[in-house]
Amino acid sequence: ETGVTQSPTHLIKTRGQQVTLRCSSQSGHNTVSWYQQALGQGPQFIFQYYREEENGRGNFPPRFSGLQFPNYSSELNVNALELDDSALYLCASSDSMNTEAFFGQGTRLTVV
Amino acid sequence: AQSVTQLDSQVPVFEEAPVELRCNYSSSVSVYLFWYVQYPNQGLQLLLKYLSGSTLVKGINGFEAEFNKSQTSFHLRKPSVHISDTAEYFCAVHTGGFKTIFGAGTRLFVKA
Repeated sequence: ETGVTQSPTHLIKTRGQQVTLRCSSQSGHNTVSWYQQALGQGPQFIFQYYREEENGRGNFPPRFSGLQFPNYSSELNVNALELDDSALYLCASSDSMNTEAFFGQGTRLTVV
Repeated sequence: AQSVTQLDSQVPVFEEAPVELRCNYSSSVSVYLFWYVQYPNQGLQLLLKYLSGSTLVKGINGFEAEFNKSQTSFHLRKPSVHISDTAEYFCAVHTGGFKTIFGAGTRLFVKA
């Protein structure tokens, strides 16, 4: 059973640029959620994808968007990066019951 | 709306001493409750979860938690901590929908 993997592990972007983060879900899981964790804070829900459709969204602007592919892997895209977007971005996969989420190691994004 | 309050931002404790990390939640509907641990520069690992049934839940690494519906609490306990338990601990609530709400975290620091 493979776990949740995220890529890249770290990256640095300039303000105004665009970034794509990737996540491979755990085998057998069809639901992927993305979270933003700023330094010293708890994870904040961005959105969730279920069977390639956005299933729910947190309080994030439209420049945060995502995709889920037929193999249930997912991407998080952020346009027009701002300094405050610097954070650890976590991906979690779960089955359709959402009774347990398995997290990846995260992508540390630094915007300069 | 659901919310999670972790009452202590930091908890210093000596090795082999007992520890309790406090968590209160608010919700108008039934909830699932979770405790996650996060080691530096890593993702979140599930310690334990309460879905239904017995209110005393045992998890990995010797941790346990008790669900108290009347006090809307889900405190995490360990009778004897080790240096390796030093980490950030997050309490989270899920209502069966698409979103998991996390607390701000409690940093457990175990001293020799």
